[in-house]
Amino acid sequence: SYVLTQPPSVSVAPGKTARITCGGNNIGVKSVHWYQQKPGQAPVVIIHYDSDRPSGIPERFSGSNSGNTATLTISRVEAGDEADYYCQVWDSTNDHQDFGGGTKLTVL
Amino acid sequence: QVTLRESGPALVKPTQTLTLTCAFSGFSISTSGMCVSWIRQPPGKALEWLALIDRDDNRYYNTILKTRVTVSKDTSKNQVVLTMTNMDTVDTGTYYCARATYGSPYDHWGQGTLVTVSS
Repeated sequence: SYVLTQPPSVSVAPGKTARITCGGNNIGVKSVHWYQQKPGQAPVVIIHYDSDRPSGIPERFSGSNSGNTATLTISRVEAGDEADYYCQVWDSTNDHQDFGGGTKLTVL
Repeated sequence: QVTLRESGPALVKPTQTLTLTCAFSGFSISTSGMCVSWIRQPPGKALEWLALIDRDDNRYYNTILKTRVTVSKDTSKNQVVLTMTNMDTVDTGTYYCARATYGSPYDHWGQGTLVTVSS
């Protein structure tokens, strides 16, 4: 399987910018999807296809993907952004997929 | 609107077989590229993809779990079923079904069902 590596935790003060990385071998050639999961809830996709925002997702959320790292950026962080964040990719043959280990975002 | 709902036992004993059903509405699994996956999450841990079934009845499994997991569908009932054999305490967690089209994100998820494996 394809290994996706995320930092276990990221902390940021309100109003600042949080960056959550997702590392993988040549991940830049894959499409990365990002999910936000709050306690007791199912994940919600917040970025798809590396950098596109689904309808209803604030512009504060953005994504990029190049080389061996995809990055989720959250600008002007709010207390309500505190959650776990997961990256996900599909295998190139679409018969498998992988999630990153997740990153817990703490708003200080 | 699109909905998915998981159902099944909340408690299973070690070595038993788990059977979960995902009942969905608002979309057809017969749509081109459509697939439904099972994804689980142990308490406090990360998401883990388990299995996928598509409109053509192609089935794909997590490499590590493929000897224990089976996925099937009943298109007429709009249901996808997950079977996992030889359950162990480490299989305790919340089990989700979710839908996607190939390559796309999982845009709709069930609420999840907590399965506890304990004697």
